[in-house]
Amino acid sequence: TQLLEQSPQFLSIQEGENLTVYCNSSSVFSSLQWYRQEPGEGPVLLVTVVTGGEVKKLKRLTFQFGDARKDSSLHITAAQPGDTGLYLCAGAKLGSNYQLIWGAGTKLIIKP
Amino acid sequence: NAGVTQTPKFRILKIGQSMTLQCAQDMNHNYMYWYRQDPGMGLKLIYYSVGAGITDKGEVPNGYNVSRSTTEYFPLRLELAAPSQTSVYFCASRDQSYSGELFFGEGSRLTVL
Repeated sequence: TQLLEQSPQFLSIQEGENLTVYCNSSSVFSSLQWYRQEPGEGPVLLVTVVTGGEVKKLKRLTFQFGDARKDSSLHITAAQPGDTGLYLCAGAKLGSNYQLIWGAGTKLIIKP
Repeated sequence: NAGVTQTPKFRILKIGQSMTLQCAQDMNHNYMYWYRQDPGMGLKLIYYSVGAGITDKGEVPNGYNVSRSTTEYFPLRLELAAPSQTSVYFCASRDQSYSGELFFGEGSRLTVL
């Protein structure tokens, strides 16, 4: 069974602090995506990374894909209350694009 | 832009009842998925489809059935509802590229009493 381990499961920090969320696997992915979900809504795509070592920035969010395409991280600088939500990573299984492997999610709370 | 449309948004069922969750997408996506999400948790795949007439089980298919007669529609059928099926259900679709964005519906909150 292919797994995508996401950590931490829960994080509650003060506004202005930095944080990093990790997704790790022993398997190689053709691409990895990060989604954010707010209460009562479906997940929304933040970013897709496809190349080993790739780094993408979205304002205060920095996403990195591991060199071997087995892991990824999401770093938030100077977190704000608007960053509160459930963050999910999903990897596209190598050789079968329709299969997405999901992490269990990181529930992030940013306190004002 | 409609995207992925799910109905109903809320439903309460009695144990043993059956119902169908409707899902429609207008993006001509081949891949469609049904997920369930329990409170504060991630997504669990129930069923998926790679095109009209083709469906397959995900990790938690028991108690559910699907059909995909057209590209647009992917209904999820719950037979003999049980309290364990109380959850939020999400339908999603994406194109065939390996980096395609997954578009989600707004979710259907189902309670089985």
